[in-house]
Formats: sequence, C-alpha cells, structure tokens
Amino acid sequence: TQLLEQSPQFLSIQEGENLTVYCNSSSVFSSLQWYRQEPGEGPVLLVTVVTGGEVKKLKRLTFQFGDARKDSSLHITAAQPGDTGLYLCAGAAGNTPLVFGKGTRLSVIA
Amino acid sequence: DVKVTQSSRYLVKRTGEKVFLECVQDMDHENMFWYRQDPGLGLRLIYFSYDVKMKEKGDIPEGYSVSREKKERFSLILESASTNQTSMYLCASSFPDQGYEQYFGPGTRLTVT
Repeated sequence: TQLLEQSPQFLSIQEGENLTVYCNSSSVFSSLQWYRQEPGEGPVLLVTVVTGGEVKKLKRLTFQFGDARKDSSLHITAAQPGDTGLYLCAGAAGNTPLVFGKGTRLSVIA
Repeated sequence: DVKVTQSSRYLVKRTGEKVFLECVQDMDHENMFWYRQDPGLGLRLIYFSYDVKMKEKGDIPEGYSVSREKKERFSLILESASTNQTSMYLCASSFPDQGYEQYFGPGTRLTVT
C-alpha cells in the first residue's frame, strides 16, 4: 500500500513568516499534486510536479519534487491570512487512483 | 472552468434511512470518484468509476453503493444510514489517466442522527 506522510499536521504562524510543508513516501510516484482546501469547500488543485528535482513557483508558493520522486515540499514566503487552509499532497502511480496525504492545516494569524 | 456540483451542501438523516448523494460534472470526464473526509483520517476513497455503468471499490466501500447511468452523473447511496457515516462527502472527476488532476465538488456534510 502506498502512503504519503505529511508534516507537520498543524501549523500556526504569524503573517509575514515563511513556512515549509513536507510530503514524504517510500514509494515512487509518476507525478505529485498539491491541493488547498478552504473550510466548507472541496480541494482545489494548486500545482502538479512531474519531473524529479522539478521546482515550480506560484507567486509566493514554491513547490519541489524530490530527485527520486518519493517526496515533495511546499514553501510559502511571507504568509498571509488568505493562505489559511488545509494543504493536501496527492501522488499518482500507474493506473491506480491518486494517493492522498492526510494534510497540513495551516493557520496564518494577522 | 470545470464544474463539479453536488446535490446538497448539508444533509441530516435518521439512522436506517436510505440516502442518495448526487454528483454532476460538466467537463466530459470519464473518471469520477467518491471520498469521505474525517478529521485525522484525511480523504478516503469509497468508490470510483472509469466509465458509464462501471464501478470499482475504493478503500472503504462497506455500507455504500454507487450508480453511474450517465457519464456526467455519479451517485453515492447509503443503503441504511448509520451514525458512523456522519462525515463530509466529496465527489471528484478527472480525465482517463489516473494521474490527471482531480476536480472536486464543494462537498456534502452529512449528519446521521
């Protein structure tokens, strides 16, 4: 069974601080996706990384896929209250449904 | 934009009732999925479907069934609702490649009393 472990589970920071969220597995994935979910809503895709070592930037968010395609990180620079939410990583491998991590719940305090 | 809609945002049912949750997508996606989301347990896959009239069990299918009579519609059925089925239910759809991004509906928060 493929598993994705996310850490930390909870994170509460002040506005303007930087943070990094991790997504780790012992399995290799062909691609990895990051979603953000706001309270009372469904997850929304932020980015997909496909190549080992790939780095993608989305404004203040930087996503990295590990060289071995087993792990990924999400770094947020100068966090804002609008970044508050549940961040989920999901891995794709073969012809099986996505494997989701349990998520990191981020709270950014103004 | 892809749109996935779910029939209800909030639902309250009694133990033993039969419950139908409907999901409709407008992007001609072949794949559709039903998840439940619980604190500390994350998203858990209940059932998924690759095509009309096809269904596959996910990780936690017990107590649930599904129906896909049309490509755009995927229904989740709780044959006899129980209190441990109180949860947030999320529907999603995607293109055929399982690695393709999933598009989620807003969710249905079901309470079984």
